[in-house]
Formats: sequence, structure tokens, C-alpha cells
Amino acid sequence: AQKVTQAQTEISVVEKEDVTLDCVYETRDTTYYLFWYKQPPSGELVFLIRRNSFDEQNEISGRYSWNFQKSTSSFNFTITASQVVDSAVYFCALSESNTGKLIFGQGTTLQVKP
Amino acid sequence: DTGVSQNPRHKITKRGQNVTFRCDPISEHNRLYWYRQTLGQGPEFLTYFQNEAQLEKSRLLSDRFSAERPKGSFSTLEIQRTEQGDSAMYLCASSPLTGYSSYNEQFFGPGTRLTVL
Repeated sequence: AQKVTQAQTEISVVEKEDVTLDCVYETRDTTYYLFWYKQPPSGELVFLIRRNSFDEQNEISGRYSWNFQKSTSSFNFTITASQVVDSAVYFCALSESNTGKLIFGQGTTLQVKP
Repeated sequence: DTGVSQNPRHKITKRGQNVTFRCDPISEHNRLYWYRQTLGQGPEFLTYFQNEAQLEKSRLLSDRFSAERPKGSFSTLEIQRTEQGDSAMYLCASSPLTGYSSYNEQFFGPGTRLTVL
């Protein structure tokens, strides 16, 4: 069965701190894609990044970086120098190979305090 | 086209009533997905369409739920004889169908929040 686990339910940091959100997944597919989405208080899910199973190179986009490790089935997300606007719920998701449907983790609520 | 739209944004109904939600995907997106999100949980897959064909339905989708996508454009999700357990946010997403199907990111609408009293 396919599954995504985000063990951290809530994280609270002070502005400018770095924070890492953990994601562990299970799948039997040999080719798969992993995603991170952000859900701000307004409720709309916003796409952040996509990563395929063949590319383990870490990616950096501004203050965001992602660490994909196939050996440990993890796809962790780090925000450097966090800002209050980063406060949101963050979801990690695994895409099913044939249908493209997303299997989401339970989400991590990040609160960044000024 | 500015994105996926959903109507209504909020719906309050009494138990036993029928409700219908609408989703307008991004133009030319072949795939349309419905998810349900309850408080404190991640979205859960309900069903999806490729053009007008409904290709998969989750076990979460009881026989009180029905979804359509006539002509492969907008989609509707109807819940008959609503129950309090149906209270949730119903999310719609669309994606293009290019290359490897699981590659394409899904663009989500703002959701319809259903409250069943």
C-alpha cells in the first residue's frame, strides 16, 4: 500500500529560525513522484515542488530546500530564515503512477512567531 | 483563465438534504480530481475523471455520492441524503495529461466547505 507519514503535527519557531519538515513515504512503484503543497489559512493548496524517484539531487529555491533520500524513503523540506508568512499547513504527497492521484500525509502545521 | 474555481464556497445544509457542488477546472486540463479534507487531516482522494470518463472511485465514495463531468469540462459532485459525517472541505483539482501521468502537478481550487447540521 502507498502511504505518506508526516510525524510532526505542529512546529512552532521564532522568525529567522531554520525549520525542517519531515516526510516519509511507502510505495511499491519503481517510478513515482513526490510533492510538497502549502495550505495557508485561506485554505487553497499551493504547489511548491515536484520530485521524481530517479532524481535524488537536492533542490534549492530561495529560502526553500528539499532533501530527497531514496534509501530512507524520505523527502524532507527545509525553510531557511523562516518568516511569519511561512505560517501554514504543509503537506507532503505521493503520486500514484497510473492515475496521478495524490496520497497526502496528515500535514504539519508550522507557526512562525515574530 | 486564472485557475480552478469551485462553487459554492460554503454550504450549510440539514441532515437528509441533497447538495451539489461544482468545479470548473483550468481550460484544456484533461484530468479532474475530487478530494475530501476533514479538520486536521490531509486531503483524501474521492474520484477522478479523464476528460468525461470517470476512471476511479474511492471506497470513501458511498452510493450516496455521485460525480459527473459532462463533455469533459466542468464537474459536479452530488451528495444525497447528507449525514453529519459528510461535513468536510471538498477540494477539486485539475491537471494536464502530458507525458508520464503521475508527473503532472495538480492545481487545486479553493474548496467547498460543507456543514451538515
